Amino acid sequence: EIVMTQSPATLSVSPGERATLSCRASQSVRSNLAWYQQKPGQAPRLLIYGASTRATGIPARFSGSGSGTEFTLTISSLQSEDFAVYYCHHYNNWPRDTFGQGTKLEIK
Amino acid sequence: QVQLVESGGGVVQPGRSLRLSCAASGFIFSSYAMHWVRQAPGKGLEWVAVVSYDGSNQHYADSVKGRFTISRDNSKNTVYLQMNSLRAEDTAVYYCASPVWAAAFDIWGQGTLVTVSS
Repeated sequence: EIVMTQSPATLSVSPGERATLSCRASQSVRSNLAWYQQKPGQAPRLLIYGASTRATGIPARFSGSGSGTEFTLTISSLQSEDFAVYYCHHYNNWPRDTFGQGTKLEIK
Repeated sequence: QVQLVESGGGVVQPGRSLRLSCAASGFIFSSYAMHWVRQAPGKGLEWVAVVSYDGSNQHYADSVKGRFTISRDNSKNTVYLQMNSLRAEDTAVYYCASPVWAAAFDIWGQGTLVTVSS
């Protein structure tokens, strides 16, 4: 079973600054890695898939990188609406998908 | 408008059963795998189950295998999650989700809350 580990658990960043979130897989997941944003009371929203492809309508300040076992989500200049919980997701992992435990991005 | 709408959640006693439904609209439902993902209160996302586009293949998380059954009716554009032998640890918001225009879950429902309690 592939385990996805996100770090840090909580990240405190000031608006306008850059945020860097990490996700590590216990074995290679190639580029089958997605990132989601979730705000309280809402369903997750897809940000990035294929490790680096922005989903439709996602602002350019969100970028993803990595392949194999190490992945990064970067938010270049934090806006107030970006403070949320972020999850990585290993998909197409038949017979089962796996999520990371999440990183809470909070205002410093 | 692309939409997934879950229903069927509620409060149920341990050991009892519940069936969730997820109605799809705005896309060719029969072309896509459908997944259930859950989130316990204050916790992260947990993948639960998947059914292939034609219903011929299903897979489950170890935590629900043997108790939950995922199925679909393409004539009704609906996916189901039959949950038997429910436990307190099954308490969660249950989301249906699908990879429609992206390789990952770009379409999500609003979620339905299942509470297992005596």
